[in-house]
Amino acid sequence: RKEVEQDPGPFNVPEGATVAFNCTYSNSASQSFFWYRQDCRKEPKLLMSVYSSGNEDGRFTAQLNRASQYISLLIRDSKLSDSATYLCVFPKPGGQNFVFGPGTRLSVLP
Amino acid sequence: EPEVTQTPSHQVTQMGQEVILRCVPISNHLYFYWYRQILGQKVEFLVSFYNNEISEKSEIFDDQFSVERPDGSNFTLKIRSTKLEDSAMYFCASSVGSGFEQYFGPGTRLTVT
Repeated sequence: RKEVEQDPGPFNVPEGATVAFNCTYSNSASQSFFWYRQDCRKEPKLLMSVYSSGNEDGRFTAQLNRASQYISLLIRDSKLSDSATYLCVFPKPGGQNFVFGPGTRLSVLP
Repeated sequence: EPEVTQTPSHQVTQMGQEVILRCVPISNHLYFYWYRQILGQKVEFLVSFYNNEISEKSEIFDDQFSVERPDGSNFTLKIRSTKLEDSAMYFCASSVGSGFEQYFGPGTRLTVT
């Protein structure tokens, strides 16, 4: 299994839709997880942190399934401004090296 | 809201030249990082820095690369002799602690000709 894998996308959804992405990881010792969004040629921006089973912030919900080693991101009521690449990120256990997933591209269409 | 800043935003250099990329992390953060992202590819870890020394580095971070925190605010990445394949976006990030959220600067686009 790869260190981290994400749904490749692209996901093309209409405004108002609900969309979910998955990220799977191989190291069961990983403790904390982050979702970042990245716009084209811009820096990753922190969207959500997950330290336990999940987190919710407005339209965004992240859920962590440690048994199956995946983390999901659910976006409700998609907006045009949600169009971006979503990166699954986590620190390597015991180290200072953060692993970045390849990203899932989302396009929200009018 | 505090943010990470980076300069320059774009640097063009000739192959073989030395470049220094500068970053000012968030002031109360203790961990600092450099990443690179080649156009169209994923973000790659280069190096992490804590307590004035490198805590971890990737295989990309070879002898051509070095980092320094010359004063209480700046964090620099030096590439001694640039190669064409060093062309990429270089992002600096900082965090309050090990394994915590990282906040990224806007990046420096390095173009090696």
